[in-house]
Amino acid sequence: KNQVEQSPQSLIILEGKNCTLQCNYTVSPFSNLRWYKQDTGRGPVSLTIMTFSENTKSNGRYTATLDADTKQSSLHITASQLSDSASYICVVIDNYGQNFVFGPGTRLSVLP
Amino acid sequence: ETGVTQSPTHLIKTRGQQVTLRCSSQSGHNTVSWYQQALGQGPQFIFQYYREEENGRGNFPPRFSGLQFPNYSSELNVNALELDDSALYLCASSPSERTTYEQYFGPGTRLTVT
Repeated sequence: KNQVEQSPQSLIILEGKNCTLQCNYTVSPFSNLRWYKQDTGRGPVSLTIMTFSENTKSNGRYTATLDADTKQSSLHITASQLSDSASYICVVIDNYGQNFVFGPGTRLSVLP
Repeated sequence: ETGVTQSPTHLIKTRGQQVTLRCSSQSGHNTVSWYQQALGQGPQFIFQYYREEENGRGNFPPRFSGLQFPNYSSELNVNALELDDSALYLCASSPSERTTYEQYFGPGTRLTVT
């Protein structure tokens, strides 16, 4: 069964600190993996998209990594800001095209 | 803002009723996908429309149906509403049906079924 798991479920950090969120998946065959940021009550906003051949991609203070062999991805946030408080969702798309499998998200709270 | 709009913002319906949700895609986008997001969970893929045809479907019953119009706006229809249909419904538009393209999400419609 195609699944995406994320850890931790929630995370609290102080402003300015770094953090890393994890994503494990069983989706096969794999097309691409995305990380989204979702503020409460809003639609998700894309942070990164990585295909099979990419193992790292950055978007400002966000850096995603992908290990297609172990089917793991991580999202690293550096120098966190209060505005980083949101849910971060990992999405894996299978190679047949239309199966978007969303993880449950990690809820990040950044405190002053 | 992504340029994707959804209406209405909030909606309250009674079990057994029918509901229609609307989505206007970003200019130049020909693909619209719909998602259901229950409280505290990640979105679940309902279906995708590409150039007015259904182009993929998730694990949702036939009472979830949709349309895409020539201007690429879209509707999601849900018949015989159940309490478990209460959720945030998101639509996302894309310039292509190919999954390596970016998707841009609207703000969602919050549906409550009582």
